Amino acid sequence: GAGVSQSPRYKVAKRGQDVALRCDPISGHVSLFWYQQALGQGPEFLTYFQNEAQLDKSGLPSDRFFAERPEGSVSTLKIQRTQQEDSAVYLCASGLDRGYEQYFGPGTRLTVT
Amino acid sequence: SQQGEEDPQALSIQEGENATMNCSYKTSINNLQWYRQNSGRGLVHLILIRSNEREKHSGRLRVTLDTSKKSSSLLITASRAADTASYFCQPGAGSYQLTFGKGTKLSVIP
Repeated sequence: GAGVSQSPRYKVAKRGQDVALRCDPISGHVSLFWYQQALGQGPEFLTYFQNEAQLDKSGLPSDRFFAERPEGSVSTLKIQRTQQEDSAVYLCASGLDRGYEQYFGPGTRLTVT
Repeated sequence: SQQGEEDPQALSIQEGENATMNCSYKTSINNLQWYRQNSGRGLVHLILIRSNEREKHSGRLRVTLDTSKKSSSLLITASRAADTASYFCQPGAGSYQLTFGKGTKLSVIP
């Protein structure tokens, strides 16, 4: 069956541009997480959705970061006015529910120049 | 948030040897998960152990959990070159915010 997919896989943005990263979770998965992973580090939590409800956004680094999951399936992570420090791999994961294993997508590598 | 800390940071072994890596955490948990990440790729879930379990097996993987010591270990037996990856633990508690440590980077030399 289809796993978690993310698009684009690679994105180069000029500083100041807005970007939108898409996550297609596994069908029927209630939980959806976004993570940011810097080179050589573990993934850092950004935000969590349960269906369409964003229950935790405490990991979003600034108000330039915004995530949504309006119909409880596909999710978009938007970064406004990108900065160089936003360069990282952005990972999406979905799960049957909280407390179950998470299935990760391949990530989107964002490079801000 | 509940963060696991993996130890050692790096481990290099010969193919066929066993690899053991450890995870420590600070507060009570409901479960703990281990993940593998090959270079440049997404994380793959390996095993989930619940707080009322002490040991779990999956193929060549053996995970133990000691809630009194707030620690877990992952043992990979008869390692293969394909096991070369970074391994992360993720303690799960009541918070939605699930975090990872820096991982153990395992190198299996053919």
